[in-house]
Amino acid sequence: GAGVSQSPSNKVTEKGKDVELRCDPISGHTALYWYRQSLGQGLEFLIYFQGNSAPDKSGLPSDRFSAERTGGSVSTLTIQRTQQEDSAVYLCASSASLGGFEQYFGPGTRLTVT
Amino acid sequence: RKEVEQDPGPFNVPEGATVAFNCTYSNSASQSFFWYRQDCRKEPKLLMSVYSSGNEDGRFTAQLNRASQYISLLIRDSKLSDSATYLCVVHHSGYSTLTFGKGTMLLVSP
Repeated sequence: GAGVSQSPSNKVTEKGKDVELRCDPISGHTALYWYRQSLGQGLEFLIYFQGNSAPDKSGLPSDRFSAERTGGSVSTLTIQRTQQEDSAVYLCASSASLGGFEQYFGPGTRLTVT
Repeated sequence: RKEVEQDPGPFNVPEGATVAFNCTYSNSASQSFFWYRQDCRKEPKLLMSVYSSGNEDGRFTAQLNRASQYISLLIRDSKLSDSATYLCVVHHSGYSTLTFGKGTMLLVSP
């Protein structure tokens, strides 16, 4: 079956521009996570959606970052006024339910801010 | 203190060798433990869960020591294809997601 998909796979943008990253989770998975991974660093949790509950935004690094999940499926991560330190790979993962710790990751979006 | 700590490596081993990685975690309330594998420029994938009694999956053995708060992964008869970064992952109550270590890099050479 289809796994988690993300688009675009690569994004180069100029400092100060806004970007939108998309994640399409595995069909039927209720939990969706966004992480980012900088070069040589571990995964940094950003935000978590579970069903219709309010998202856990505790990992968002600043108010320039926001995310939404429409219809309990596709999610969009938006970064406004991008900065060079936002350059990283942004990974989306989904799991079957709360406590479903087997998270399936998408291939990521490599964001480069010039 | 970091929540999940791993030796970044790299561990350079020849094919057929046995290699072990350790990972320590700081939160004693941690409940669930996992090893994920991440190939270069790829996404992480679940390798195995770690159970209190220890568990084995083919050439891979995972152990948990709650008293000392560490987790180990043993790989026997290393293959070239085992070359990757191995991520130690922890879940503890009160958190809605997983905490990932930065990973240990393994390089298996012919």
